[in-house]
Amino acid sequence: DAGVIQSPRHEVTEMGQEVTLRCKPISGHNSLFWYRQTMMRGLELLIYFNNNVPIDDSGMPEDRFSAKMPNASFSTLKIQPSEPRDSAVYFCASSWFRRGMSVFTEAFFGQGTRLTVV
Amino acid sequence: GQQVMQIPQYQHVQEGEDFTTYCNSSTTLSNIQWYKQRPGGHPVFLIQLVKSGEVKKQKRLTFQFGEAKKNSSLHITATQTTDVGTYFCAGSSGGYQKVTFGTGTKLQVIP
Repeated sequence: DAGVIQSPRHEVTEMGQEVTLRCKPISGHNSLFWYRQTMMRGLELLIYFNNNVPIDDSGMPEDRFSAKMPNASFSTLKIQPSEPRDSAVYFCASSWFRRGMSVFTEAFFGQGTRLTVV
Repeated sequence: GQQVMQIPQYQHVQEGEDFTTYCNSSTTLSNIQWYKQRPGGHPVFLIQLVKSGEVKKQKRLTFQFGEAKKNSSLHITATQTTDVGTYFCAGSSGGYQKVTFGTGTKLQVIP
């Protein structure tokens, strides 16, 4: 497996434009996470899915952010409209949630998307 | 909500010195994971602790999970320049509760 694949690696966009980040998790994993990392706020969990269903989206900053997981091998994070304060590195990660033990196994992170909104 | 704090925020050590970072959760955890992120890179999994009082070792790294399962520590013996990076703990509680990453400790090793 090639690991978690994110695209694009870098994105520069103008304020007000729509931005879509993409993620392909590791095959067989049943949990997917979107994180945002900035110097000021560190690594923040935005949303996570289990079996393609959003379980917790309390970290999503506001209505401008939306995430989907139409199938087990693909997820998107969309920002519309984008603002300069959205500039950050966005990571996607996947892991396996063992329901019987209520434990996540190790999370594998993608390389991240560095978003700059000007 | 669940909060996970790490101390110190930054640590500079001379190569060969030891290093410890501490992780404290506001709630009891079902397990804790540790990750390392190199500058410009992405977090990479190091280890997972599940049992109360658990201690695990990986070469020069020693990981501990507190008896109350609310705190954890990572100790590196005789640091090397390859240890440079930010170390994160990540805790989660039972059920489908989210994994919360700690604030991270940035380690600089002076050759």
